[in-house]
Amino acid sequence: EVVLTQSPATLSLSPGDRATLSCRASESITGKYLAWYQQSPGQAPRLLIYAASNRATGIPDRFSGSGSGTAFTLTITRLEPEDFAVYYCQQYGSSPPWTFGQGTKVEI
Amino acid sequence: EVQLVQSGAEVKKPGDSLRISCKGSGYTFSTYWIAWVRQLPGQGLEWMGVIYPGDSDTSYSPSFKGHVTLSADESTSTAYLQWTSLKASDSAMYYCARLPGFHYHMDVWGKGTTVTVSS
Repeated sequence: EVVLTQSPATLSLSPGDRATLSCRASESITGKYLAWYQQSPGQAPRLLIYAASNRATGIPDRFSGSGSGTAFTLTITRLEPEDFAVYYCQQYGSSPPWTFGQGTKVEI
Repeated sequence: EVQLVQSGAEVKKPGDSLRISCKGSGYTFSTYWIAWVRQLPGQGLEWMGVIYPGDSDTSYSPSFKGHVTLSADESTSTAYLQWTSLKASDSAMYYCARLPGFHYHMDVWGKGTTVTVSS
């Protein structure tokens, strides 16, 4: 099973700041099959990024994803108040199970 | 509009059986995979398994295999997550989500079903 490790666990920032979230895999992820999800309090997760760098429909361009192999990054430029949430990476390149990272909380 | 509508909150006792549902609409249900994801209170997301409603092909996480059963009914566009004997440790939020293909991301999520197991 591929283990995803996200860092930092918590990121304390202010509106307008830039956020850089890391996701590292225990083995290389085939085909850049990595997604990022946002979960706001009391809400279901929402897809932000798929295939490492593709924004999902309706996602603002302040969200971007990059990386390959075992190292991936989610960048949020100019944090908006609604961006303060928990972010999860997930790999779906290996044979199942398609694991999640433990999450990074972006807080004010 | 593409939606996954999940069944309501459940309160059960240890040893009870339970089936929760996830109804798809706004797309061809049988041609997309459905995954189930568990979130324990205050914790992260755990991938449980996935089913293809077109032929009921399934894949389970080893962590959940043998304890839950995934099924789907094409005629009602509904996927199910089932337990035959609940434990207190099954108390969690359960989400269903749609996948455009087998090795794909989860692009549409249900709002979740809360399951509480308590004596």
